[in-house]
Amino acid sequence: QVQLQESGPGLVKPSRTLSLTCTVSGGSISDGGGYYWTWFRQHPGKGPEWVGYIYYGGNSYYSPSLKSRLTIFIDTSRNQFSLKLTSVTAADTAIYYCARVESDGYLAYWGQGTLVTVSS
Amino acid sequence: DIQMTQSPSTLSASVGDRVTITCRASLSISDWLAWYQQKPGKAPKLLIYKASSLHFGVPSRFRGSGFGTEFTLTISSLQPDDFATYYCQQYNSYSEYTFGQGTKLEIQ
Repeated sequence: QVQLQESGPGLVKPSRTLSLTCTVSGGSISDGGGYYWTWFRQHPGKGPEWVGYIYYGGNSYYSPSLKSRLTIFIDTSRNQFSLKLTSVTAADTAIYYCARVESDGYLAYWGQGTLVTVSS
Repeated sequence: DIQMTQSPSTLSASVGDRVTITCRASLSISDWLAWYQQKPGKAPKLLIYKASSLHFGVPSRFRGSGFGTEFTLTISSLQPDDFATYYCQQYNSYSEYTFGQGTKLEIQ
């Protein structure tokens, strides 16, 4: 059973960089299998918002609204993938989830989520 | 961008009721649609994928249908554990994954 777990600071100051890591267990991140590894975020009372995804080979795709500030990268030796979001503002305050995208595009495995607050 | 619109936003029902939630896409997405259940403080849980395929372990009282731009999630006989928020999600394009705004299912 694949499991994902987010980790990282829960509080980030405005204009700084938000960094999160997702650790995958129960399977190798480099197994291929058509899986993509993705980040979503969710603001209170809203549906999840797609942030971006990465394939184990390193190809990535980002939400156009975040693309200029976002980097997602993968560390197959640690079975992890990570997110860096620069120049954060209060609008980036949200619960951030990592998940695995199945080959068809749906999301069967999610992390538990981590709340990131942007505040001085 | 493909927009997903759910209705209703809130639904009040009782245990044993049959309920239906609708999701409309702004463009045709074939059957590339999933439904999720989310409870407070938890990650979304996959219920249905490819519009009508039941995910492993999900009770058969959940049924999805639809194609193109209009989709429905039906719960045939509500159980106490079903009171939660439900989201649809399109994955027609690998350049974006879009969720609806959610339908909160409340106990009447």
